[in-house]
Amino acid sequence: SQTIHQWPATLVQPVGSPLSLECTVEGTSNPNLYWYRQAAGRGLQLLFYSVGIGQISSEVPQNLSASRPQDRQFILSSKKLLLSDSGFYLCAWSLGTSGGTDTQYFGPGTRLTVL
Amino acid sequence: TQLLEQSPQFLSIQEGENLTVYCNSSSVFSSLQWYRQEPGEGPVLLVTVVTGGEVKKLKRLTFQFGDARKDSSLHITAAQPGDTGLYLCAGVGTGGFKTIFGAGTRLFVKA
Repeated sequence: SQTIHQWPATLVQPVGSPLSLECTVEGTSNPNLYWYRQAAGRGLQLLFYSVGIGQISSEVPQNLSASRPQDRQFILSSKKLLLSDSGFYLCAWSLGTSGGTDTQYFGPGTRLTVL
Repeated sequence: TQLLEQSPQFLSIQEGENLTVYCNSSSVFSSLQWYRQEPGEGPVLLVTVVTGGEVKKLKRLTFQFGDARKDSSLHITAAQPGDTGLYLCAGVGTGGFKTIFGAGTRLFVKA
């Protein structure tokens, strides 16, 4: 069965410091991978998605970047964090099936607080 | 731009009551998912509906996809405190794999 891992689970960082959040998927090959940010108790904002190694699409202009160095590894980064980067970051994967039935499965999330 | 509107945004009910959560759009979706999320955790998939008019049941939860595949509802019978959480609907557009998420319904069931 497939599993998705995120780390760290929680992170407190000062403004201006760098960021690296990691997401890995097990049990599947060539998944679509996604990074979302969620405001407290609200819906999900898609930040980046990737359909393959080295292929990154950005949904919103921001202080963040994403990379996919390996098939099942997705990294969210920032060179200098802003206060507004605080939030709950979720990684998700899907099979990328056509026909409109593609379902996303989420990791446990990372709570980022920028002080 | 495809949008999914969920209502109500917040619902507080007593244990044993029934409730319905709605997810509406002016766009057609190829499929629609419902997720449940607890604080500090990732959303967990409850169901995927694909066919217009489709009804799926998961114990006390009943999910329906609208005939035109533009809306969906989640009905919970005899709610329990364990049902408390954020319920998210998500639609996969007809143009590809991109998924649109609703803003969520926060449900609180009091014992």
